[in-house]
Amino acid sequence: DTGVSQNPRHKITKRGQNVTFRCDPISEHNRLYWYRQTLGQGPEFLTYFQNEAQLEKSRLLSDRFSAERPKGSFSTLEIQRTEQGDSAMYLCASSLGQGNTEAFFGQGTRLTVV
Amino acid sequence: GESVGLHLPTLSVQEGDNSIINCAYSNSASDYFIWYKQESGKGPQFIIDIRSNMDKRQGQRVTVLLNKTVKHLSLQIAATQPGDSAVYFCAETPISNDYKLSFGAGTTVTVRA
Repeated sequence: DTGVSQNPRHKITKRGQNVTFRCDPISEHNRLYWYRQTLGQGPEFLTYFQNEAQLEKSRLLSDRFSAERPKGSFSTLEIQRTEQGDSAMYLCASSLGQGNTEAFFGQGTRLTVV
Repeated sequence: GESVGLHLPTLSVQEGDNSIINCAYSNSASDYFIWYKQESGKGPQFIIDIRSNMDKRQGQRVTVLLNKTVKHLSLQIAATQPGDSAVYFCAETPISNDYKLSFGAGTTVTVRA
């Protein structure tokens, strides 16, 4: 257990539905990241937060995706109007911040869109 | 485009032998390289890192080697154990945006008893 908690662990949804995932990082970590991982591939960067500020979003993050970290603690990732191509493992990670790049990953939320 | 990649997708090793996992990178601006281990059903777990001003770093049973001339990174695992069976990823990032890791596709290591 790395200390980063993600819920739910698994989500099956019908195409077109909205889904929301939650990530609770290690409490003293300023940075929080979201990555997406498809089968057989390495994780791909989606977005990151420094405290409550979302500082960068990947081009992978279409308009249907939105992430928040309202109080600089937990974060949510919402996908609207899900598509089959959204099926993947969504990973959250946290780290202390600049100069300390060791990121601790959660166990991920596996999304299946049917 | 620039990317991080691995030489071999799979590696089978006898328990007790040493393992060497290789990674080639192409982004010459990368300053920081990391190896992660991912077991089935889990998120990636940090193993060891190395900065571009170093060519070798040792941890517990692991050694990372960096050859900037040929843009090559390797992870050596000594006395491989069954618990080392996992997918291993190398990742890199420039210090200027050290929040964004670029991962390779991974090498699946299987330890034979």
